Amino acid sequence: GAVVSQHPSWVICKSGTSVKIECRSLDFQATTMFWYRQFPKQSLMLMATSNEGSKATYEQGVEKDKFLINHASLTLSTLTVTSAHPEDSSFYICSARLSSGSYEQYFGPGTRLTVT
Amino acid sequence: DAKTTQPTSMDCAEGRAANLPCNHSTISGNEYVYWYRQIHSQGPQYIIHGLKNNETNEMASLIITEDRKSSTLILPHATLRDTAVYYCIVRVAGGSEKLVFGKGTKLTVNP
Repeated sequence: GAVVSQHPSWVICKSGTSVKIECRSLDFQATTMFWYRQFPKQSLMLMATSNEGSKATYEQGVEKDKFLINHASLTLSTLTVTSAHPEDSSFYICSARLSSGSYEQYFGPGTRLTVT
Repeated sequence: DAKTTQPTSMDCAEGRAANLPCNHSTISGNEYVYWYRQIHSQGPQYIIHGLKNNETNEMASLIITEDRKSSTLILPHATLRDTAVYYCIVRVAGGSEKLVFGKGTKLTVNP
């Protein structure tokens, strides 16, 4: 149990376009989901915390107008990278937190974004 | 959440035990020690967590010192598939929801 999926697993887009990444909790409900970004040979950096039905909370330095997060249901959160630039190329990872019990976080497999 | 200190890298022979240390000298009484690992180009995977007693599951054992200022993750019989970056994180269980990832330890299991 506690499986989190992401789609797509990798995407290549042109500079200036927008890309949407989906994060789904497949067998549990998650009131809270998290979005991380990871550049090559670096650790994961938390971008934002997404709560179902409310606005996301962004970490300092993360542009909320550039990284749009929607958490419309208990099993789905989306991250849209708007007007993507080559420097946005990164590995984007989501996690979903159990809504009860241990409140553990489970991570998705990640999405590799390359902006050309 | 308290900070942790881990060695940058470690090597281990296949079939031998891998012992990964973590220092968390400023840990608070209600903070747990969590271990995750990240295999290359994948999302992090939960391994184990504990408060003050030693813990064991199907993946690993966690040994926490009596003063709780350090801990060791033990992979009893390392395989090549255990090659990954291992992250030690301290946090309040169910409290602050953020997981703050440090640089972790890159474990390389050699044949």
